[in-house]
Amino acid sequence: ILNVEQSPQSLHVQEGDSTNFTCSFPSSNFYALHWYRWETAKSPEALFVMTLNGDEKKKGRISATLNTKEGYSYLYIKGSQPEDSATYLCAFWGDSNYQLIWGAGTKLIIKP
Amino acid sequence: KAGVTQTPRYLIKTRGQQVTLSCSPISGHRSVSWYQQTPGQGLQFLFEYFSETQRNKGNFPGRFSGRQFSNSRSEMNVSTLELGDSALYLCASRSTGNTDTQYFGPGTRLTVL
Repeated sequence: ILNVEQSPQSLHVQEGDSTNFTCSFPSSNFYALHWYRWETAKSPEALFVMTLNGDEKKKGRISATLNTKEGYSYLYIKGSQPEDSATYLCAFWGDSNYQLIWGAGTKLIIKP
Repeated sequence: KAGVTQTPRYLIKTRGQQVTLSCSPISGHRSVSWYQQTPGQGLQFLFEYFSETQRNKGNFPGRFSGRQFSNSRSEMNVSTLELGDSALYLCASRSTGNTDTQYFGPGTRLTVL
């Protein structure tokens, strides 16, 4: 059974601080790793799709890195703002399955 | 382009009834996936349809079924509703490739009484 784990489950961060969290996924049969942000009362919104070992992607203050050999990805948020409060989901796509395997998410709460 | 739309947005049913949810993907997207989200749980994959064929299925009982039409619109049906079926049901569409981003609809909030 393929398993994707995210840690921590939830995180309280002071506004202005930087933070990061982890997504762990199977290191074999890797195809792609997706990151999504899910704000309350909205639909999940895609942040990144990462495919290559060593990939680093950036979108504003948010960036992500990928290590397919050891099976993990980090999401970083620099200078957290209240609008960053959301649940951040990662999802793994292996080359032998036709579905994204989702982590349970990291709930990020930014304290003003 | 218009986004993914889902109808209805909210639904209240009683145990034993059946329900049909609808999803219209982004124009040009041929893949539609359905997910269930319950409090404290991540997104649970129900099934994916691609070009009117079910391509993959998650670990849900046979009461959950779906179909896709030639215009890529998809419906999901749940028969003999149970209290535990109360959840947010999301559909997501994507183009074709496995690295393509999934675009989510706003969801249908189903409450079973």
